[in-house]
Amino acid sequence: EVQLLESGGGLVQAGGSLRLSCAASTFTLSSYAMSWVRQAPGKGLEWVSSISGSGVSTYYADSVRGRFTISRDSSKNTLYLQMNSLRADDTAVYFCAKDLMAGTTINWFDPWGQGTLVTVSS
Amino acid sequence: DIQMTQSPSSVSASVGDRVIITCRASQGIGSWLAWYQQKPGKAPELLIYAASSLQSGVPSRFSGSGSGTDFTLTISSLQPEDFATYYCQQANSFPYTFGQGTKLEIK
Repeated sequence: EVQLLESGGGLVQAGGSLRLSCAASTFTLSSYAMSWVRQAPGKGLEWVSSISGSGVSTYYADSVRGRFTISRDSSKNTLYLQMNSLRADDTAVYFCAKDLMAGTTINWFDPWGQGTLVTVSS
Repeated sequence: DIQMTQSPSSVSASVGDRVIITCRASQGIGSWLAWYQQKPGKAPELLIYAASSLQSGVPSRFSGSGSGTDFTLTISSLQPEDFATYYCQQANSFPYTFGQGTKLEIK
């Protein structure tokens, strides 16, 4: 069974930084596109960032571009989201998600990790 | 950006009912649409992808249809475990966007 385990969330002051990790098990992370999706408390889902299977292409929501960086470490089979210049409206549960199909395309999120809560205090 | 609008925002139904949730895109997205189910405190789960393809392990009472701008998710006979929030998502172009969600509640 594919498993994704996020970590790294917590409480941080506005302007601070956090790095989220998403450890993958039972599959090779570099064979799939991967994404981060967030959900503010009581709100809907917001796509944040994706990295293609090849790792060559990265994509960001306008709300995080220039502040967040998606990356992965194939040796650790782990996906990362480096978050800088955090703002109060970045407060959310952050989910990592694998693409349904192997390859470079980014389409369908399946499965998702359990999520990690990031709280930014102002 | 492509805006995704779901309706209704919430719906009350009984076990055994047939429920239809709609999702409209602000511009044509072909069949680049997915549906997810989310239960409280849990991560979303993929139900339908490419507008009408049923994800492995998902019960056949779930079905999806549509193309272009108008899509539907149909649950043919509600079961107790189906009460949850449902989201559509477009994968036609970045930034990928989700609908606002439809909360399915027990009548």
